[in-house]
Amino acid sequence: EPEVTQTPSHQVTQMGQEVILRCVPISNHLYFYWYRQILGQKVEFLVSFYNNEISEKSEIFDDQFSVERPDGSNFTLKIRSTKLEDSAMYFCASSFTTSGKTNTGELFFGEGSRLTVL
Amino acid sequence: LAKTTQPISMDSYEGQEVNITCSHNNIATNDYITWYQQFPSQGPRFIIQGYKTKVTNEVASLFIPADRKSSTLSLPRVSLSDTAVYYCLYVKGGATNKLIFGTGTLLAVQP
Repeated sequence: EPEVTQTPSHQVTQMGQEVILRCVPISNHLYFYWYRQILGQKVEFLVSFYNNEISEKSEIFDDQFSVERPDGSNFTLKIRSTKLEDSAMYFCASSFTTSGKTNTGELFFGEGSRLTVL
Repeated sequence: LAKTTQPISMDSYEGQEVNITCSHNNIATNDYITWYQQFPSQGPRFIIQGYKTKVTNEVASLFIPADRKSSTLSLPRVSLSDTAVYYCLYVKGGATNKLIFGTGTLLAVQP
């Protein structure tokens, strides 16, 4: 079964450092997403991406964050200058179509990248 | 924002049927109801999606009454491995590509 893969599984970084989290979405999917989950809290939407541009983003996704699909297979999340409060599990997801379409809007999530900012 | 209400936690025993109800009083005409499951330290996983009446797949059933202001996820004969957080969400038909997760229901299945 095709799956979304994420690297690294765990990254520890110093506050102020740049971090890039990588994702390989399912190959025929068109929509890509990043979510995060702070330990013990709910899953939070960060950004969605379609046709090489951001389609929606949350208030969490400020100027410190950026996303890119550099080569047609990878989908990356960059945090320019990490803060302590960026420590969380970051999930990448992809879907073939939008989430509202029955049977085809399912989002497939990766296993996550745990980011620890010291 | 889409707002759903579901119990914070539920307990069950192996082999029992579990029904988790979610209320979504502000659901709009073109919204779909979707349920996801999340195990600890894993990404959420799609379970089932529906618009009205009943939908069944190999994992669960979803019951949606005529007014669509609530929905019930039914898990037949749960096992220990069904212990997880279950999220009820609703999404705009074709108009958005994001999911907004609530706090979910932590289902604990005991032997």
